[in-house]
Amino acid sequence: KAGVTQTPRYLIKTRGQQVTLSCSPISGHRSVSWYQQTPGQGLQFLFEYFSETQRNKGNFPGRFSGRQFSNSRSEMNVSTLELGDSALYLCASSRTSGSYYEQYFGPGTRLTVT
Amino acid sequence: DAKTTQPNSMESNEEEPVHLPCNHSTISGTDYIHWYRQLPSQGPEYVIHGLTSNVNNRMASLAIAEDRKSSTLILHRATLRDAAVYYCILRDLRNSGNTPLVFGKGTRLSVIA
Repeated sequence: KAGVTQTPRYLIKTRGQQVTLSCSPISGHRSVSWYQQTPGQGLQFLFEYFSETQRNKGNFPGRFSGRQFSNSRSEMNVSTLELGDSALYLCASSRTSGSYYEQYFGPGTRLTVT
Repeated sequence: DAKTTQPNSMESNEEEPVHLPCNHSTISGTDYIHWYRQLPSQGPEYVIHGLTSNVNNRMASLAIAEDRKSSTLILHRATLRDAAVYYCILRDLRNSGNTPLVFGKGTRLSVIA
């Protein structure tokens, strides 16, 4: 079974630009969550999507948004990039929405903002 | 979510058992105990989870104290590939949605050949 895939793996953007990251969950998984990892703040939850609906949202500004498509693939978008947005963005999928189920993470997208 | 406390780092010899402790003194009756690990340059990886009883899987064992205020992740024979940051996370089963994984600092495990 293929794992969670994320594209692109690496990205360099300039301050003020916007960026879109993509995540394909494990086949059959309907829940997709996004996390940001930085050396200073560690791993922080951004949002979760299930059946194309945002179920949960972390404490990030509105510049961070996401969506999920009918095939469960998900995208996240960051507008008006800031230097502090440089991070590893991780996507995780789980079979369904619910705290019992384990999450499977992708390799991440390394975003560098200059 | 209730908080967990883990040692910052631990060291183990290869092929020796490793016991990674986690304290969660304010755990509620509906909190599941989850363990994830993050290998260098990779995303986190699910290891194991449990509620009250000890759990075993192909990767590890989870020993949960009778009062549930602490738990221990046991790697039966550490290999170099087990060098990672290990996170102990509580997730409330009451939420109908997906309780986000709240990652603390975790324990950095070093394995010595």
